[in-house]
Amino acid sequence: NAGVTQTPKFRVLKTGQSMTLLCAQDMNHEYMYWYRQDPGMGLRLIHYSVGEGTTAKGEVPDGYNVSRLKKQNFLLGLESAAPSQTSVYFCASSYSPETGYNEQFFGPGTRLTVL
Amino acid sequence: EDQVTQSPEALRLQEGESSSLNCSYTVSGLRGLFWYRQDPGKGPEFLFTLYSAGEEKEKERLKATLTKKESFLHITAPKPEDSATYLCAVQAANDYKLSFGAGTTVTVRA
Repeated sequence: NAGVTQTPKFRVLKTGQSMTLLCAQDMNHEYMYWYRQDPGMGLRLIHYSVGEGTTAKGEVPDGYNVSRLKKQNFLLGLESAAPSQTSVYFCASSYSPETGYNEQFFGPGTRLTVL
Repeated sequence: EDQVTQSPEALRLQEGESSSLNCSYTVSGLRGLFWYRQDPGKGPEFLFTLYSAGEEKEKERLKATLTKKESFLHITAPKPEDSATYLCAVQAANDYKLSFGAGTTVTVRA
């Protein structure tokens, strides 16, 4: 049981380049989330999904897109990276109908630098 | 809008010196208050969920308590391995999302 995994762990992009961050969970969770974490600002929600095929905007969605084609995967895309998107990105998942628990479990993070 | 404020921002303790971290919150109907621990370079690790005022939960040297306006994380006789950033988050009723505070960074010296 790997929990929540994220790829890649590190990435450096040039301004204007695009990339996709992949999140996978093996806990049969219904909900999945993408956060960014910046010094002194805490975790801020970018987008989230409450089920396969659904997505919704969080607190800071501009410049990002997401897709959830399979229940276990949640992809975060940057179409045209900007230096302001330099951050650490965390994926999380929560809620299993079998257990009823609502705690979010986090992946190890992706450190992204945009030059 | 839900708001979470944690204090202090940083806390330096001597090994064995007990202390408390504060999490003040405003939320339209609390579904749950969550505490996480985050080590440098890692993702947040779940510690506790508290659901109603008066509730308490313990894990090793950590004890979390909840009132209608704030939560405390008490660290009893801390050890250097308790050094980490502790995050507080709230979830409003009928919501899927968590609102996080900025965290308290605890450093325990041997």
